Amino acid sequence: EIVLTQSPATLSLSPGERATLSCRASQSVSSYLAWYQQKPGQAPRLLIYDASNRATGIPARFSGSGSGTDFTLTISSLEPEDFAVYYCQQRSNWPPAYTFGQGTKLEIK
Amino acid sequence: EVQLVESGGGLVQPGGSLRLSCAASGFTFSSYAMSWVRQAPGKGLEWVSAISGSGGSTYYADSVKGRFTISRDNSKNTLYLQMNSLRAEDTAVYYCAKFKDRSYYYMDVWGKGTTVTVSS
Repeated sequence: EIVLTQSPATLSLSPGERATLSCRASQSVSSYLAWYQQKPGQAPRLLIYDASNRATGIPARFSGSGSGTDFTLTISSLEPEDFAVYYCQQRSNWPPAYTFGQGTKLEIK
Repeated sequence: EVQLVESGGGLVQPGGSLRLSCAASGFTFSSYAMSWVRQAPGKGLEWVSAISGSGGSTYYADSVKGRFTISRDNSKNTLYLQMNSLRAEDTAVYYCAKFKDRSYYYMDVWGKGTTVTVSS
């Protein structure tokens, strides 16, 4: 089973600052990695898929990069609505099995 | 508008059963694989099960294999999760989610979730 490890667990930043979130896989997942945002009391929302493609309706300030085992989600300039928990996710080859990272909480400093 | 609405959650005793439903609208339901993902109180996301668009292929996390059964009725645009032999550790919010495309990799639409509490 591929394990996804996210860092840091908590990131404290101010609006307008740049956020950099990391996700490391225990073995290569090529570029098959997604990022989700979850706000309190809400369902997750797909932000990034295939490591670097923004999902429909996602603002350009969100970007993803990486391949293999190391991935990064960058928010270029934080808006108040961006403070949330972020999860990375991958799928094993076959049979399909999905794992999520433990999450990074992005909080207002 | 693409929408998923879960129902069927509630309080159940350990060893009991529950069936969750997820009503889909706004897209061609039978064309997309679907999934259940859960989130225990204060914890992260855990994938539970997935099913192909036709319903002919099903997949489960090891933690629920043999206890949970995923199914779908494409004539009713509805996804189901039959949960048997429930344990305290199954307590969670259960989300249904639609896969983005035929590759089964990513989930692009999620319901608001339904809460399952397993307790005596």
